[in-house]
Amino acid sequence: DSGVTQTPKHLITATGQRVTLRCSPRSGDLSVYWYQQSLDQGLQFLIQYYNGEERAKGNILERFSAQQFPDLHSELNLSSLELGDSALYFCASSEGAVGGYEQYFGPGTRLTVT
Amino acid sequence: GENVEQHPSTLSVQEGDSAVIKCTYSDSASNYFPWYKQELGKRPQLIIDIRSNVGEKKDQRIAVTLNKTAKHFSLHITETQPEDSAVYFCAAPPLNSSASKIIFGSGTRLSIRP
Repeated sequence: DSGVTQTPKHLITATGQRVTLRCSPRSGDLSVYWYQQSLDQGLQFLIQYYNGEERAKGNILERFSAQQFPDLHSELNLSSLELGDSALYFCASSEGAVGGYEQYFGPGTRLTVT
Repeated sequence: GENVEQHPSTLSVQEGDSAVIKCTYSDSASNYFPWYKQELGKRPQLIIDIRSNVGEKKDQRIAVTLNKTAKHFSLHITETQPEDSAVYFCAAPPLNSSASKIIFGSGTRLSIRP
């Protein structure tokens, strides 16, 4: 167990809908990262927050947004869902703001868009 | 921009033999190089990492070597066992926020033949 929690574990929804994925980082970690992993694909970095502020942005679609709250948990919002958004979404946390720290991954949320 | 290339994409070795996975990176400022292992249906987990002040690091059957001049690093697994079957990802996280992207390699699916 990495200490990072993600809810829900599974999510099935229809095209055009909006969903929210939630992540709680390890105790003491200030950075939260979001990744998308499609079937048999690699880890695509979406976005990073550090202590409530957006720190780095990857290939995140405009339909997606995220935030980190004062208690450091983070939410990833996916809207106007398309079939291609079906994937495993991982959250990870680390101690620091920049590279050089181990990232601890949560168990992931499997999103299926029908 | 930043880029991490990982080879091979798939690797099959006989149990007991060695496996080597290689990554090259483009950001010469990178100084931290982690390797993550992702078993089927599970979260990625750090298995070993190296910083640029050393050329090699070992942990039992796993070792990582780094050539900063050539900008490549490799994962070596000796005496492979069935539980080594997984997808392995390298990474070269940026050091500062201006570099932004967290770049993982595309992954290597390692299969151990009995």
